[in-house]
Amino acid sequence: DGGITQSPKYLFRKEGQNVTLSCEQNLNHDAMYWYRQDPGQGLRLIYYSQIVNDFQKGDIAEGYSVSREKKESFPLTVTSAQKNPTAFYLCASSIGGGMPYNSPLHFGNGTRLTVT
Amino acid sequence: EDKVVQSPLSLVVHEGDTVTLNCSYEVTNFRSLLWYKQEKKAPTFLFMLTSSGIEKKSGRLSSILDKKELSSILNITATQTGDSAIYLCAVPGGGGGSNYKLTFGKGTLLTVNP
Repeated sequence: DGGITQSPKYLFRKEGQNVTLSCEQNLNHDAMYWYRQDPGQGLRLIYYSQIVNDFQKGDIAEGYSVSREKKESFPLTVTSAQKNPTAFYLCASSIGGGMPYNSPLHFGNGTRLTVT
Repeated sequence: EDKVVQSPLSLVVHEGDTVTLNCSYEVTNFRSLLWYKQEKKAPTFLFMLTSSGIEKKSGRLSSILDKKELSSILNITATQTGDSAIYLCAVPGGGGGSNYKLTFGKGTLLTVNP
């Protein structure tokens, strides 16, 4: 079955440590995204990538970094520079191909990160 | 800056009630509006609306877009406890005209009590 796999489901880290969240998709989608969800805030875009080896900052990119070396994979690193990293992180993908407004996002099950 | 506003932010109803959720938007170069349902983890796609006045329907859920009013509604009839979820509205296109940026509203938390 095609889908998006995020791991781990739960992650606990001490303040000051970098942490990397994994996102893998086997849908053959070109575009991939990272969103952050906080209670009462909806989803906010961190980074997105339209094609391999290219990515753009979203609305709240500060303190985060990404890479897109393979079509299937779009890992997100939460660095120690991120002031409030505790949140629910969702990875998504879409067909892309220049018409993303016509292709809904498919989401992974998320990673809940807690930093103390 | 693009904006999506959902109302109400939360709603509690009894099984069998009908509910209407609202979404209004301000976005440059409107292309489409999407509805998602989020139960515990991954939001799942419900509807994509591009044309005004054409209702999309799936079982007890339906949605319609009003481009004149820059809004959409999501109706759920004969609600069931399984409809309890956060319902998210989103529009593509961010500042700078990128179609890849999906702007989400804060969501409506629907609780259906037995």
